[in-house]
Amino acid sequence: QKEVEQDPGPLSVPEGAIVSLNCTYSNSAFQYFMWYRQYSRKGPELLMYTYSSGNKEDGRFTAQVDKSSKYISLFIRDSQPSDSATYLCAMSEVGNKLVFGAGTILRVKS
Amino acid sequence: NAGVTQTPKFQVLKTGQSMTLQCAQDMNHNSMYWYRQDPGMGLRLIYYSASEGTTDKGEVPNGYNVSRLNKREFSLRLESAAPSQTSVYFCASSGTGDTQYFGPGTRLTVL
Repeated sequence: QKEVEQDPGPLSVPEGAIVSLNCTYSNSAFQYFMWYRQYSRKGPELLMYTYSSGNKEDGRFTAQVDKSSKYISLFIRDSQPSDSATYLCAMSEVGNKLVFGAGTILRVKS
Repeated sequence: NAGVTQTPKFQVLKTGQSMTLQCAQDMNHNSMYWYRQDPGMGLRLIYYSASEGTTDKGEVPNGYNVSRLNKREFSLRLESAAPSQTSVYFCASSGTGDTQYFGPGTRLTVL
């Protein structure tokens, strides 16, 4: 079993839809949780960063962490074709290396 | 600031050939990383360097060597390339926190 599980998709939604992307993990020591966005043939770029549990909002993006369920989510409101990309979750213990999910491919159709 | 830069962008090798992938960062970060990305596998850590002068193995180090040349530069060497090393290679760096910043990647094909 992988330490971080992420549905690879692809997830296809119409423009304007609310998108929910999720990861589950098994290591209860993870404290830092991140979401990276990766456009085709580009390097990953940091989208959201959360420490421990709770919600964080940045514009159309909301990151949620539920440590009791070992489950993290990224919500995208009013999705746009420019949001089409692969979304990678990543997490780490304090002072340790990042562990990445396999990534979910998102396609937003206009 | 250029951030993290990688050269070359593309490379085709024959089995048994050697090559070095170069990475440089201009953010004064202490830590640098090399990952490979394969379909369905996500990013897997090959080697990392927590500070200048130190290197450590990651999840998939076999067939690779690294050199932390100075604080800015971290190179990855394939001594005898194999088709299983066909992948996209990313270099990343991080400062005092856990956030990593990635380069644009090198697409390597080994025939």
